[in-house]
Amino acid sequence: NAGVMQNPRHLVRRRGQEARLRCSPMKGHSHVYWYRQLPEEGLKFMVYLQKENIIDESGMPKERFSAEFPKEGPSILRIQQVVRGDSAAYFCASSLSISGTGNTIYFGEGSWLTVV
Amino acid sequence: QQQVKQSPQSLIVQKGGISIINCAYENTAFDYFPWYQQFPGKGPALLIAIRPDVSEKKEGRFTISFNKSAKQFSLHIMDSQPGDSATYFCAASASGTYKYIFGTGTRLKVLA
Repeated sequence: NAGVMQNPRHLVRRRGQEARLRCSPMKGHSHVYWYRQLPEEGLKFMVYLQKENIIDESGMPKERFSAEFPKEGPSILRIQQVVRGDSAAYFCASSLSISGTGNTIYFGEGSWLTVV
Repeated sequence: QQQVKQSPQSLIVQKGGISIINCAYENTAFDYFPWYQQFPGKGPALLIAIRPDVSEKKEGRFTISFNKSAKQFSLHIMDSQPGDSATYFCAASASGTYKYIFGTGTRLKVLA
């Protein structure tokens, strides 16, 4: 199965710690998106990346959150100094080309972050 | 104007019945409308999608109806089965963009 791979699936962090979420896109996909799903809510766009470039991070909180998609290796969503409000499911998605208008994005299984 | 409003929030249907979920949007630039199905603890999976040049699209038991003038679209699940019990999200995006705007989801339960 060459789907979007995310790890860890579940992560527990204490307030103030750092969380690192990893995403390997589908084979051949060079467009990566991160979405956040809060309990009982829909998915909210966070950031769109291509290899070595952040294209749009308009959905990212201004502080503590960062994302990267290096030339080699997975995309990483990093949350510094986590707070309880960061508890959510974080989904990575990828697409072969720019999404929209029929270019499907495929989601991973998600990383569930719990901040205690 | 970027919102996609989805209703109902939850839905209970008898096995064999029809499940109907509705979505409405404001942004006339939206031209791609996918529906995603999500099971507990899993990621969203594309179910079916439509573009505004057609009013209906059917794939198996799943049908999208699209009303461009009303800026509404809906998902119909015919002969609903317990295995269809999941959360369904509608979404919208516009050409040349990459952001999907998601509805808030509908939790469907199909009773055996």
